Amino acid sequence: KQEVTQIPAALSVPEGENLVLNCSFTDSAIYNLQWFRQDPGKGLTSLLLIQSSQREQTSGRLNASLDKSSGRSTLYIAASQPGDSATYLCAVRLINTGTASKLTFGTGTRLQVTL
Amino acid sequence: DAGITQSPRYKITETGRQVTLMCHQTWSHSYMFWYRQDLGHGLRLIYYSAAADITDKGEVPDGYVVSRSKTENFPLTLESATRSQTSVYFCASSGDTSYGYTFGSGTRLTVV
Repeated sequence: KQEVTQIPAALSVPEGENLVLNCSFTDSAIYNLQWFRQDPGKGLTSLLLIQSSQREQTSGRLNASLDKSSGRSTLYIAASQPGDSATYLCAVRLINTGTASKLTFGTGTRLQVTL
Repeated sequence: DAGITQSPRYKITETGRQVTLMCHQTWSHSYMFWYRQDLGHGLRLIYYSAAADITDKGEVPDGYVVSRSKTENFPLTLESATRSQTSVYFCASSGDTSYGYTFGSGTRLTVV
């Protein structure tokens, strides 16, 4: 069974710091990995999608890397801002088990960026 | 507007009542999914669908029923609501396996 773990579970940093969130998964038979952001009481917003054949994806201050062979992904946030405060979830899309390929979610990292 | 919409946003119902949560997407995505999110459990898959008339159970299907007669709609029905089904429910859709998932805004359901 695929297990997805995120470290750390919570993180507090001062504004302006660069930071790294980690995601590890146990089964490398994946189509892709997706990073989401969730604000309190809100839905999930997709940040980055990395295909299994790719090494990294970038969007603005965000950069996500994928090392499928070691079962690891990192989300790098540059020059953090208070507006980045949220819970960050990684999810891997499993190669078909059943009638559809499904996402398995990590446990999440709760990020707080302080002034 | 294009996207994925869930309704209602909030719902309070009594134990034993039947309630249906709606999910509609405008992209003609093949895949649709229902998750519930609870403190301490994260996101758990309830049911999913690979296409119209094809549905399958996820991790926590007991007490729920789904149907998918049209590609764009994927309603989730609680046949006889229980307090343990108080949760936030998210619907998601996706194109083929190279696509990411897009989530709806969620339905906060309270069973009293």
